Amino acid sequence: NAGVMQNPRHLVRRRGQEARLRCSPMKGHSHVYWYRQLPEEGLKFMVYLQKENIIDESGMPKERFSAEFPKEGPSILRIQQVVRGDSAAYFCASSSDRTGSGNTIYFGEGSWLTVV
Amino acid sequence: GEDVEQSLFLSVREGDSSVINCTYTDSSSTYLYWYKQEPGAGLQLLTYIFSNMDMKQDQRLTVLLNKKDKHLSLRIADTQTGDSAIYFCAESLGGGGNKLTFGTGTQLKVEL
Repeated sequence: NAGVMQNPRHLVRRRGQEARLRCSPMKGHSHVYWYRQLPEEGLKFMVYLQKENIIDESGMPKERFSAEFPKEGPSILRIQQVVRGDSAAYFCASSSDRTGSGNTIYFGEGSWLTVV
Repeated sequence: GEDVEQSLFLSVREGDSSVINCTYTDSSSTYLYWYKQEPGAGLQLLTYIFSNMDMKQDQRLTVLLNKKDKHLSLRIADTQTGDSAIYFCAESLGGGGNKLTFGTGTQLKVEL
């Protein structure tokens, strides 16, 4: 049973370009979460999605960032017109349900974005 | 509001026990987690505890939860050099959809 798969693992973008990060949840998981880890900091929640729905985007910056989780295919975190401050590790996590009743949340290996 | 705090560094000798502490502010937390992150790597779930428990033991790991003081600790027995990493505690509010609030992380250094 493959874990949470993220790609690319490392991405370099010039200022103003777009970054697309992909996440395939664990098999059987339909809940996906994106977190951002700035250098030397803890992880901060960005967005929570189920298939075709955004459930909670309270941690998403108001501009340039968007996320989707289509019916088919991976979840995608998209950052438009990247700036140096977007350089961070972006982690995806998945779970089997939303209630937290005994399930656990599994993280991917992360995608490291560097904006030059 | 949600706020999770940890001390930044801990240094121990190989073979000793390590105790990593965490305080949280949200009394409605349902699950509390400990994750391990090695340099350049993702987060590895070590253990978690439900908020109605006081203690959970899993091999070398012991989690203690003091709900009254909102204090969580992770004890690693017989610490090894391979335990050197950053350890994050995190809380979730259960019905909030497993949204986790992470602490700032404690860097554990194990010396020979």
